Amino acid sequence: AQSVSQHNHHVILSEAASLELGCNYSYGGTVNLFWYVQYPGQHLQLLLKYFSGDPLVKGIKGFEAEFIKSKFSFNLRKPSVQWSDTAEYFCAVNPGYSSASKIIFGSGTRLSIRP
Amino acid sequence: DGGITQSPKYLFRKEGQNVTLSCEQNLNHDAMYWYRQDPGQGLRLIYYSQIVNDFQKGDIAEGYSVSREKKESFPLTVTSAQKNPTAFYLCASSIRQDSSGANVLTFGAGSRLTVL
Repeated sequence: AQSVSQHNHHVILSEAASLELGCNYSYGGTVNLFWYVQYPGQHLQLLLKYFSGDPLVKGIKGFEAEFIKSKFSFNLRKPSVQWSDTAEYFCAVNPGYSSASKIIFGSGTRLSIRP
Repeated sequence: DGGITQSPKYLFRKEGQNVTLSCEQNLNHDAMYWYRQDPGQGLRLIYYSQIVNDFQKGDIAEGYSVSREKKESFPLTVTSAQKNPTAFYLCASSIRQDSSGANVLTFGAGSRLTVL
């Protein structure tokens, strides 16, 4: 069965530290990949997405992610975090064929930033 | 203002009762989804629908039912057969993309169900 793994459940960093959150998936075909973010008290929203092309994608608020097909990974990075990045981050996978719109999420990573 | 409206925001129910959560979208999106969010487990897919009058089971469909009679609406019924129904329920929708099938989700604010 398709699955998405986020191995970091809770990450605590100080402001200005660099961030990398891991995401691995278990689907062998073409995939579309996403990172969603849920700030405290707000709706889930899209942070960035990969459909095709350049495997390094840039999203909002200085976030980026790299798709490494050989490793089935789509890790999220930010060179210098801010207190406002405190949120829960979810990786998601969508099989890339037109007949399916099933989207599977990982268990999420809670990010806490110390001011 | 386009978006997804979920109601009620909070709901309490006694054991053995069915309850229906509403989800309405005015985004003209084709696909709609129901997820359940539990601490430490992320979002788990309950049901999804790509077009009107059609829906598919997700990973945790047991004890739930849905209907998709209108494009705008995708209600979720939590039945008494659902063994652990207390959770936060999220509805989402997406417009079907091109042949890649990629779908970007727009989420509602969620409904928190507590079974007493």
